[in-house]
This record gives sequence, structure tokens and C-alpha cells, in this order.
Amino acid sequence: GDSVTQTEGLVTLTEGLPVMLNCTYQTIYSNPFLFWYVQHLNESPRLLLKSFTDNKRTEHQGFHATLHKSSSSFHLQKSSAQLSDSALYYCALSSNYQLIWGSGTKLIIKP
Amino acid sequence: EAAVTQSPRNKVAVTGGKVTLSCNQTNNHNNMYWYRQDTGHGLRLIHYSYGAGSTEKGDIPDGYKASRPSQENFSLILELATPSQTSVYFCASGDVGLGGRYEQYFGPGTRLTVL
Repeated sequence: GDSVTQTEGLVTLTEGLPVMLNCTYQTIYSNPFLFWYVQHLNESPRLLLKSFTDNKRTEHQGFHATLHKSSSSFHLQKSSAQLSDSALYYCALSSNYQLIWGSGTKLIIKP
Repeated sequence: EAAVTQSPRNKVAVTGGKVTLSCNQTNNHNNMYWYRQDTGHGLRLIHYSYGAGSTEKGDIPDGYKASRPSQENFSLILELATPSQTSVYFCASGDVGLGGRYEQYFGPGTRLTVL
């Protein structure tokens, strides 16, 4: 079946350094639709960005990701981390009117 | 963005008691979902619905029932609550978005503690 893998459970970075959170997926569909959701402490998950176009960079709120069908990847990146980026990040795959969720990556940004 | 509300926001229940968590959405989405979130487990799907009158089992349905009496409302029912059901519960609604692809939007969550 379809699946999403986020290899890092916890990423700790110093403010100002670049961020990269990994996401790979498996699906039977030839046109996958991928999401990144962000969840700050004591809040609900919120859609951060999404993509279904191969090799096209998608940006929102300083974050960007590119869907690469050749490697089944949708990594989340940001050039310079901010303290406010500390949160839980989920990668998700749209499949048959559901979302298949990765296990999440907790990002902690330190001063 | 979809408006999804949940009630109550916080609930303390006793073991063996009945608990009902309610969810309401005002965007006429066909699909609704109940998740629970626990540290170390991420989001896990309990039940979902494709429309009024329908409920389907998700990945962890044991100990939970669901009810979808209308397009707007979706309830999660714990007939005999147990301490292992202490968690944060999220309701979500979903439908095809502007990009022509399916999306989900979450409610604020309900923190349930079973003593």
C-alpha cells in the first residue's frame, strides 16, 4: 500500500542555519499529491505547502519543497531557520480521499 | 480555509464512562475524519466518513464508534472509556481543493483524559 517515510524523528538546529526535513513516499498512483503540514505546540496541524507537479518548486512562508517523482521525494527546506519554526512537521500523501501520514519530524531551533 | 470546530476542547472522564466528542464543519465537505495523536505515534486514523449516514473504520477503530448524522456533524463515541484512550483527538474535514486535488483541514483538537 501507499506509505510515507520521514527518517528524522528529531532535528535540532541553531537559528540562522538551513533546514532540510526528509520525506519519501511509495504509491501506486502515477500522479502523487504531497503535502507538508506544520503543527506548533498546543495547536492543530495546518497545511504548509502542497505539490503535484514534478520537479516544480513550491514555496510558502519561507519554506520550499520540490516533488521529485524519480526519487519519490518531497523534502522540506528553508534557507535560514528562525526560532518560530520550532514545531512538528508532517509529510502526507493524498490517496483515495485520505491522507497517508508520515511519522512526523520535530524541529527544534535554538538561539 | 475550512472551518472545523470541536467540542469539548478539554474533557476529563472516568474509566468505564461514556464519552462523546463532537465535530462540526461549515464548508460542506463530504469527508470527515477522526484522528488521535500521541507522542511517538503521530496522527492515527480512528474512523472516517464519506457523507451523512456513512462511517468507516480507520487504522485503530477498536474501542471507538462514530456517527455522521448530517453533512456538518461527525461524532466520536467511547462507550467504555479506558485510560489508554487518554490522548488528543483531532477532527478533520476534506474535499478537493482549488488545485484539483484532495486536501484536509483540522479542527483545534480535544484533549481527553481518562482517569
